[in-house]
Amino acid sequence: AQKVTQAQTEISVVEKEDVTLDCVYETRDTTYYLFWYKQPPSGELVFLIRRNSFDEQNEISGRYSWNFQKSTSSFNFTITASQVVDSAVYFCALSVGDYKLSFGAGTTVTVRA
Amino acid sequence: DSGVTQTPKHLITATGQRVTLRCSPRSGDLSVYWYQQSLDQGLQFLIQYYNGEERAKGNILERFSAQQFPDLHSELNLSSLELGDSALYFCASSVGSEGTQETQYFGPGTRLLVL
Repeated sequence: AQKVTQAQTEISVVEKEDVTLDCVYETRDTTYYLFWYKQPPSGELVFLIRRNSFDEQNEISGRYSWNFQKSTSSFNFTITASQVVDSAVYFCALSVGDYKLSFGAGTTVTVRA
Repeated sequence: DSGVTQTPKHLITATGQRVTLRCSPRSGDLSVYWYQQSLDQGLQFLIQYYNGEERAKGNILERFSAQQFPDLHSELNLSSLELGDSALYFCASSVGSEGTQETQYFGPGTRLLVL
């Protein structure tokens, strides 16, 4: 069975601070995919990033960056220089090729002006 | 805007009733997925259709059913509604290629309240 754990329930920061969201996953499959989605107060789910298990290269995309480490089964996500518009619930998700996404419980990020 | 549309946006109904939620996937996408988001269960996968055929099933109750039509839009039918069915129901779509996990793009959701 697949499992995604987001241990941080809530994070509150002041604008321009960096925010790192933790995600730990469990799977016995060697091929899998990891995702981050954002759910702003308006309610929709917005796709942010995707990584497959064969690509551990960490990248930066604008103010977003991620750290994928298979050795610790972690897929952490960082928002640099946070802004008020980054306030949302962030979900980490795992898929092992059976097409469904298994989501973590989510981390609520509040960015204060 | 993901390109996935869902109607209605909000739905209020009574216990025991039946409702239909509708989803139109992004242009060119063949796969449609349904998810339920509730306070106690979080985000849970319900069911997936690919080009009109059921492809995968999750924790979907027997009172719930879905289908995908030839024009690729999908409907999720919820019957004999209970208070606990109150939730946000999301539809997502992807291209539907075999052998790879594609990114699923989500619609805005339908918020169902059962009174």
